This record gives sequence, C-alpha cells and structure tokens, in this order.
Amino acid sequence: DAKTTQPPSMDCAEGRAANLPCNHSTISGNEYVYWYRQIHSQGPQYIIHGLKNNETNEMASLIITEDRKSSTLILPHATLRDTAVYYCIVRGLTSNTGKLIFGQGTTLQVKP
Amino acid sequence: NAGVTQTPKFQVLKTGQSMTLQCAQDMNHEYMSWYRQDPGMGLRLIHYSVGAGITDQGEVPNGYNVSRSTTEDFPLRLLSAAPSQTSVYFCASGTRETQYFGPGTRLLVL
Repeated sequence: DAKTTQPPSMDCAEGRAANLPCNHSTISGNEYVYWYRQIHSQGPQYIIHGLKNNETNEMASLIITEDRKSSTLILPHATLRDTAVYYCIVRGLTSNTGKLIFGQGTTLQVKP
Repeated sequence: NAGVTQTPKFQVLKTGQSMTLQCAQDMNHEYMSWYRQDPGMGLRLIHYSVGAGITDQGEVPNGYNVSRSTTEDFPLRLLSAAPSQTSVYFCASGTRETQYFGPGTRLLVL
C-alpha cells in the first residue's frame, strides 16, 4: 500500500471550511484513498473514500487530483466537534484483507 | 444494530496474567481486526481475519493469539501479559471496502 504524507497539525475557525491535504505520490492505479478520523479517546471513524472521482457524503467531500498523487478532505462547515486526528490512508482492494495502515495523521483544531 | 462492541472498557492486569479481550459485531461482516494504539503513535495492526476460521498476523502479533470460530466474534488473547502490552486496543469489523471501529479497551499491565 502506498505511503501518505500529511501535515502534523492544522487550525480552522469554527464555521469555516477545513481543508486537509494528503500527498500520496506513489499511489498505484488500483489503490483507493480513505479518510478516517479519531476524536480523543474514541475509536477511529470512517469518513469517506474514493478512487479517482471526487466524492461527497453527509460528512465531507474528497477531492482527488487528476494525477491522483494528492487529495484534499473538505469539512464544509467545521464545528468544535470536528476537532480530531485525521488519517489519510491509501490501500488497494485486490488482495484485500481489510487491514488499514495508519500513519501519524493531521491533528485538526477547530477554534471558536 | 449495536455495531462493534468491545468488552471490557478498562482492565488492569499484573505481569504474567492472562486475559481475553472480547469483540463482537452484529453486521455480518467478513473482515475483523485488532489494533493497538500507544501514546503519540498511530494504530498498529495486531491480527486480522477475513472470515470464520481464517486468521493472520498483522504488524505486531507477538504476545497475542486470536481465533474466529463465528462470524460475529473475534476475541484477542493475552496468554502472559507484559507491561509492554499496556495500550488501548481497538477492534474493527467491515467489508472489503470499509472498516468500522469499536470504542476500545484500555489495558494497563503492572
């Protein structure tokens, strides 16, 4: 599975959009981009995933560049409850075992 | 449905004691896995299973055993606890595409 690079921390004002970047320059054609978050002391929470098209759900939007070497998770109207560590994970499904490889993630602090 | 449940929530053990961390899911998921999380670190995979009767090792399997006799349950066994196993343990279940995590078990080994 490809390695990802994320900034260690970011701040965002409450009510504004939070844009969390992720670099995955070694991603291969059959690998998906996943985003999870972990709010303090809780289990990781699935947010969204995509292959090459932009994706949107009730929680967030995922923008993947055309060359697929980077992506951005967008929380359109961040709230204080969105303060968490956000993990970008790249993995393929062809030989899938269900396992996820977590890096250090980005700590997002939403401020009032 | 209850999703992924883990018991106990907290546990204190003495070095050398054994215990089993329980994980259950009611979503008929094929995939289940165990992770540990240490302070300041990301999650590391211990063991995983792709279906009843099938298990395999993850990144940090030493000191842990698992079995998967049913689709619903995936217990994690510590045969002889060591202080290095003090951690927060998360169980996950899911499909080939998506994994969902339980609330975690906080384990302290003295």
